[in-house]
Amino acid sequence: AQSVTQLDSQVPVFEEAPVELRCNYSSSVSVYLFWYVQYPNQGLQLLLKYLSGSTLVKGINGFEAEFNKSQTSFHLRKPSVHISDTAEYFCAVSDQSRAGGGNKLTFGTGTQLKVEL
Amino acid sequence: GAGVSQSPSNKVTEKGKDVELRCDPISGHTALYWYRQRLGQGLEFLIYFQGNSAPDKSGLPSDRFSAERTGESVSTLTIQRTQQEDSAVYLCATGLDQPQHFGDGTRLSIL
Repeated sequence: AQSVTQLDSQVPVFEEAPVELRCNYSSSVSVYLFWYVQYPNQGLQLLLKYLSGSTLVKGINGFEAEFNKSQTSFHLRKPSVHISDTAEYFCAVSDQSRAGGGNKLTFGTGTQLKVEL
Repeated sequence: GAGVSQSPSNKVTEKGKDVELRCDPISGHTALYWYRQRLGQGLEFLIYFQGNSAPDKSGLPSDRFSAERTGESVSTLTIQRTQQEDSAVYLCATGLDQPQHFGDGTRLSIL
């Protein structure tokens, strides 16, 4: 079984400042890792994913995340945020033994990013 | 439409009644997932369909829950004899493999 911890329920940040949203996971097996974003009044959508290869993964809208196996982390970062990045961000993990890793995603409880002028 | 469409958006029903929730996937998305999100909690996996393969039903919490999907078309999630603990937002997600896009969900309230 896996679990995901997003320690920060809310992160306020000024526009053009850098941001890091933290995600830690727990698993007894190798995992795939995902970040999803939910913009106001919209459904969740996939932001980026780590399946294998380079531990630095780049996603849409300038976001990136780094998989750190020793620290069991997959923190999401953006060097300069925009007002339009205001949204809720969910980290998720799945068991690598599943083909494609897609099913049975375990989600964190989400981090609300609020970008202010 | 361009996104995952779920209906109804809200459903209020009495305890003991059956409910049916619908998910229209994005065209071409072979994978379809149902998740449940209770108030203040993370998303909980319910069931996974991939093309014509047998679905993964391991997340269904009881035999009151069932879901169907024919091929790559619409899916329905049925909850029989609803209980108050079934109150939640039920989310559908589709993709080629991983969940790519989620619908806006059906908010189910059991009185």
